[in-house]
Amino acid sequence: IAGITQAPTSQILAAGRRMTLRCTQDMRHNAMYWYRQDLGLGLRLIHYSNTAGTTGKGEVPDGYSVSRANTDDFPLTLASAVPSQTSVYFCASSVGTGNTGELFFGEGSRLTVL
Amino acid sequence: KQEVTQIPAALSVPEGENLVLNCSFTDSAIYNLQWFRQDPGKGLTSLLLIQSSQREQTSGRLNASLDKSSGRSTLYIAASQPGDSATYLCAVRVLTGGGNKLTFGTGTQLKVEL
Repeated sequence: IAGITQAPTSQILAAGRRMTLRCTQDMRHNAMYWYRQDLGLGLRLIHYSNTAGTTGKGEVPDGYSVSRANTDDFPLTLASAVPSQTSVYFCASSVGTGNTGELFFGEGSRLTVL
Repeated sequence: KQEVTQIPAALSVPEGENLVLNCSFTDSAIYNLQWFRQDPGKGLTSLLLIQSSQREQTSGRLNASLDKSSGRSTLYIAASQPGDSATYLCAVRVLTGGGNKLTFGTGTQLKVEL
């Protein structure tokens, strides 16, 4: 089934550790996004990529980095995790920034930083 | 700065009722608006996408309308069923210099009771 795959689905992490959340899509979408969802704050954009080889900062980029080496993969890295990064992280993709822009989401990665 | 508000935050209705969920946004210069459904512990599922030039979109028992000038969208659910219980989110997309930005509301949590 085509879609977006995120891994891990859940992780508990000690503060200060490095963590990479993986995201792979098989829909050949140009644009990919990372959001975090927190109670009362809704979804906030962390980083995005309009096409392979390019990335951009979203609303809450500090403490996170991304790379887009190819069309399918868009990993999110926490270089040194802090408790405020405890959240549910969603990867999403869309056909293109200038097209319909309909967003498709993965199932999420629940991260707890202690 | 675009702000998206969804009222009510929570709604409980008996099975079979027709209901309306509301979404309002502060900046009417949007590119499109998308309605999502989110089940507990799951990702977001796209329901309907309305382009800025459109007034409504329909899919099965769902109908979404868009009034850009007043900054409002409604999601109408006909003959509600317990399986419709979920959180419904709207998101508006605006075009920016570097791409586009999607702003989410915090959602309406719907419970349809037998």
